[in-house]
Amino acid sequence: QKEVEQNSGPLSVPEGAIASLNCTYSDRGSQSFFWYRQYSGKSPELIMFIYSNGDKEDGRFTAQLNKASQYVSLLIRDSQPSDSATYLCAVCPWGYQKVTFGTGTKLQVIP
Amino acid sequence: GAVVSQHPSRVICKSGTSVKIECRSLDFQATTMFWYRQFPKQSLMLMATSNEGSKATYEQGVEKDKFLINHASLTLSTLTVTSAHPEDSSFYICSARARDSQETQYFGPGTRLLVL
Repeated sequence: QKEVEQNSGPLSVPEGAIASLNCTYSDRGSQSFFWYRQYSGKSPELIMFIYSNGDKEDGRFTAQLNKASQYVSLLIRDSQPSDSATYLCAVCPWGYQKVTFGTGTKLQVIP
Repeated sequence: GAVVSQHPSRVICKSGTSVKIECRSLDFQATTMFWYRQFPKQSLMLMATSNEGSKATYEQGVEKDKFLINHASLTLSTLTVTSAHPEDSSFYICSARARDSQETQYFGPGTRLLVL
C-alpha cells in the first residue's frame, strides 16, 4: 500500500465548477498535510497546509482534513482554466523532517 | 517571503562531466533542504535530505558518491552530479524548510539537466 494515494486523473471539470481533489494516507501518526500545485515543466508551489481536523479556507481553496478516516481533500471553487495543473498531496508525521508526496492528480478545467 | 532560488535553471553538458546545482533560501534560514528528481510525467522522487553542517541522508538507491550534497550554511545547499551520464538527465528540484516553521517546504524553481 502506498503511503499517500491520489487518483492520477485527469479530473476534468467545466470552468466555474467546483473541483474536488482527494488524498488518503496510511500513517496514522501524520500531523501535517500540504497541497502543492505543479504546472507542467515547473516546480511545485505551496497552496495550503492544514494541521487540524476540519476545513481551512483560503480564497477559492478549501482544504479538508479527517484524521479518523485518514483523508485530506482540496476543493477549488469557481475553477479557472489557469487552475489546470497537477495537484500534489503531501503528508508529514509529527516532528519528522521528511514529507511524503502522493503521485499527484492532474486537473483539467475546460473553458 | 519563503523564496527559494536555484542556479542554473538549465544546463546541458557532455557525458562524463560534473555539474553543480545551487539552492538558496533568499529570505529565511533553512536548517533542512531536500533534493528531488523528477522524470517526465512522473512524480517527485526524494533523493536526499540535507541538514546544515552535517552529512546528507540519502534515500535508498541514490548513490551518495555520484550525487554529492553540501549544506555549508543556513541559506545554501549544493548538489553536484559527478560524471554525469545521459540517464541522469532530469529535472532536479530543491526545497527548503524554514527554521521556524513546522514542516512546510518551499520549492526552488528547479534545474533541468540534459546530459549528451
